[in-house]
Amino acid sequence: NAGVTQTPKFQVLKTGQSMTLQCAQDMNHNSMYWYRQDPGMGLRLIYYSASEGTTDKGEVPNGYNVSRLNKREFSLRLESAAPSQTSVYFCASSDIAGITQTQYFGPGTRLLVL
Amino acid sequence: QQQVKQSPQSLIVQKGGISIINCAYENTAFDYFPWYQQFPGKGPALLIAIRPDVSEKKEGRFTISFNKSAKQFSLHIMDSQPGDSATYFCAATPSNTGKLIFGQGTTLQVKP
Repeated sequence: NAGVTQTPKFQVLKTGQSMTLQCAQDMNHNSMYWYRQDPGMGLRLIYYSASEGTTDKGEVPNGYNVSRLNKREFSLRLESAAPSQTSVYFCASSDIAGITQTQYFGPGTRLLVL
Repeated sequence: QQQVKQSPQSLIVQKGGISIINCAYENTAFDYFPWYQQFPGKGPALLIAIRPDVSEKKEGRFTISFNKSAKQFSLHIMDSQPGDSATYFCAATPSNTGKLIFGQGTTLQVKP
């Protein structure tokens, strides 16, 4: 099992450009999440999807949109990138209906917006 | 508004020593408290977690101590090893929501 995979690993954008970050999990988890990690800020939840067909805002949703394409895939879109969106983006998945609520994280996408 | 506050920001410990990282939370609805470990260039991975019905949980060299009345919890790493050098995040969430609120992180360096 690959766990949680993310593409691309690294991306450079110019201000105003758009891009989609892809995430897929092969653990048959119901829930998926997008976080951003900035120095001194920890990880902050952008959007999450409790189950296929549902999405909801997290702490910092402004400037982002998401799509839960199917149970396996959850994408994050930046419509018009801004320098403030320079960050490391992590996707995670979990089975919150289970006994544990462990979230499994992908390797991250490093995004630089110039 | 930082709902989970973590300290210290960085920590240097000698090999064999005890590393202690502290977290405090505000929301009394939180009832699941995990600690994640992150190595450079990798995603975070669950290290250990606790629910507030117990005051302590131990897994190997890692122990969580939980003080519900003070709304504080801490991670103790006994016999710290250089391989423990990483960034540690505490987190909290209301049960079954999956909406983890993370602390700011602590960078631990264990010197040989």
